[in-house]
Amino acid sequence: RKEVEQDPGPFNVPEGATVAFNCTYSNSASQSFFWYRQDCRKEPKLLMSVYSSGNEDGRFTAQLNRASQYISLLIRDSKLSDSATYLCVVNRPNDYKLSFGAGTTVTVRA
Amino acid sequence: GAVVSQHPSRVICKSGTSVKIECRSLDFQATTMFWYRQFPKQSLMLMATSNEGSKATYEQGVEKDKFLINHASLTLSTLTVTSAHPEDSSFYICSAPPGGPSDTQYFGPGTRLTVL
Repeated sequence: RKEVEQDPGPFNVPEGATVAFNCTYSNSASQSFFWYRQDCRKEPKLLMSVYSSGNEDGRFTAQLNRASQYISLLIRDSKLSDSATYLCVVNRPNDYKLSFGAGTTVTVRA
Repeated sequence: GAVVSQHPSRVICKSGTSVKIECRSLDFQATTMFWYRQFPKQSLMLMATSNEGSKATYEQGVEKDKFLINHASLTLSTLTVTSAHPEDSSFYICSAPPGGPSDTQYFGPGTRLTVL
């Protein structure tokens, strides 16, 4: 089983729509969780960390469900500029290194 | 925010040649840097951890003699792909955490390697 699994999508949504997707992680001892954004042929950039109580950053909301070992990301009022691949990232519990999901592709259309 | 650069951004080489990729932290010092590889439509895979002043540590399945890592200073790590073959063609990305290995990782812009 992969350490981090994501629905690859693509999620094609119109501008202004809400889109949400999850990722699951295999190691229940993981402590740190992140969403990164990766544009085509570019490096990943940190979008937000995910906290136990859930957190919001503008139009982005992240949730963590430890019991079911999944993390979610919700994007409200989608913009064309939100089109990207969103990477779910989880720390390896035995060290500080990161495990990446393969990404969920979101395409926002006008 | 912390800035990490990589050079070159793109390289095309013939099979059998060696290619060196540089990763620099521009506005902070990094005792640790990470090297990743990403194949199309796949996740980033950690290849190795570069440690300033000591040997790099490699992930399982990564050949240390093929992927040579040198962390020459607190702002520079290099990855050399030796005797590159077409299957080594990939997107190589480094990252550096400003506050130590467990800190947030900032990524370089990546190097796209194509081996003919």
